[in-house]
Amino acid sequence: GAGVSQSPSNKVTEKGKDVELRCDPISGHTALYWYRQSLGQGLEFLIYFQGNSAPDKSGLPSDRFSAERTGGSVSTLTIQRTQQEDSAVYLCASSPGGRETQYFGPGTRLLVL
Amino acid sequence: RKEVEQDPGPFNVPEGATVAFNCTYSNSASQSFFWYRQDCRKEPKLLMSVYSSGNEDGRFTAQLNRASQYISLLIRDSKLSDSATYLCVSVRNQGGKLIFGQGTELSVKP
Repeated sequence: GAGVSQSPSNKVTEKGKDVELRCDPISGHTALYWYRQSLGQGLEFLIYFQGNSAPDKSGLPSDRFSAERTGGSVSTLTIQRTQQEDSAVYLCASSPGGRETQYFGPGTRLLVL
Repeated sequence: RKEVEQDPGPFNVPEGATVAFNCTYSNSASQSFFWYRQDCRKEPKLLMSVYSSGNEDGRFTAQLNRASQYISLLIRDSKLSDSATYLCVSVRNQGGKLIFGQGTELSVKP
């Protein structure tokens, strides 16, 4: 069956521009997670959705970062006024209910020039 | 200090070797543990769960020691295809967010 998909696969933007990253979880998975992987920091949790609500946003690094999920399915991560330190691979994962195995998407590679 | 710490690596081993990775975690509230594998420029994929009783999957054996807050992964008879980064992961079961170690790179040479 279809796995987690993310778009775009690569994004190059200029410092100060806004970007939107999209995640399509596995159908029927109620839990959705965003993580970020950068060279200096490794893999870090950003935000967790259960359905359309986000009970844990503790990993969002600043108020430039926001995320939403609609219809209990697709999620978008928005980064406003991008900075060079935002360059990283942004990974989305989903799981059936939040306590099971998480399945990762291929990620979006973001480069801020 | 990171909540999950791993051997820095890289590990360079010949085919057929046995290699062991170690990991420690600092949060005693952590309830579940996993090893994930990540190939170059790919997403992480679950390798195996880790239990106190130990668990084995073919050439792979994982062990958890809660008293020492220590996790291990043993790979026997290494294959070229085992070359990857191995990520030690803990979960506090508060929504299931994964806490990753920095990863250990393994390179298996012919």
